[in-house]
Amino acid sequence: SQTIHQWPATLVQPVGSPLSLECTVEGTSNPNLYWYRQAAGRGLQLLFYSVGIGQISSEVPQNLSASRPQDRQFILSSKKLLLSDSGFYLCAWRGKLGVSYEQYFGPGTRLTVT
Amino acid sequence: DAKTTQPPSMDCAEGRAANLPCNHSTISGNEYVYWYRQIHSQGPQYIIHGLKNNETNEMASLIITEDRKSSTLILPHATLRDTAVYYCIVRDHGSGNTGKLIFGQGTTLQVKP
Repeated sequence: SQTIHQWPATLVQPVGSPLSLECTVEGTSNPNLYWYRQAAGRGLQLLFYSVGIGQISSEVPQNLSASRPQDRQFILSSKKLLLSDSGFYLCAWRGKLGVSYEQYFGPGTRLTVT
Repeated sequence: DAKTTQPPSMDCAEGRAANLPCNHSTISGNEYVYWYRQIHSQGPQYIIHGLKNNETNEMASLIITEDRKSSTLILPHATLRDTAVYYCIVRDHGSGNTGKLIFGQGTTLQVKP
């Protein structure tokens, strides 16, 4: 069966520090991968998605970047964190069989920028 | 993409059916209705989806009106663990390979003992 991992689970970082969040998927190959952010009390916002290795699409202009160095690895990064980067970051995957929109989400990383 | 409208919050008594409405009056013929839920501090969980026929799985039932302008997610016997934010999303399966989901504000369902 497929599983999705995210780490760390929680993170407290000072403003101006770098960020690296990692997401890995097991049990599937060539998935679509997604990064979402949920600010406190707000809805989910799609940040990036990737349909293959090295293919990244950005949904909103921001202080963050994403990379997909391997088929089942998706990394969210920042060179200098802002206070507004605080939030709950979720990674998700979707298989390419069929065209449905069933996405499967990881446990998330709660980031607090101080 | 068609926009959806959901009530911001609802209450339901434990053991009773929870009926969560969603309006999607601008839905087009090839757009599906998807439901996800997000339990506090967890990632969203896929529940069910449908095009025009009613659908049922082990988690819930989805009732879509004949004109497809609205739908209702039914949790037949709500438990305290069903307390969550429920999202209704409309997506066109012909939107390419991206599979992007656009989440709205959803309905916060509070199941009470």
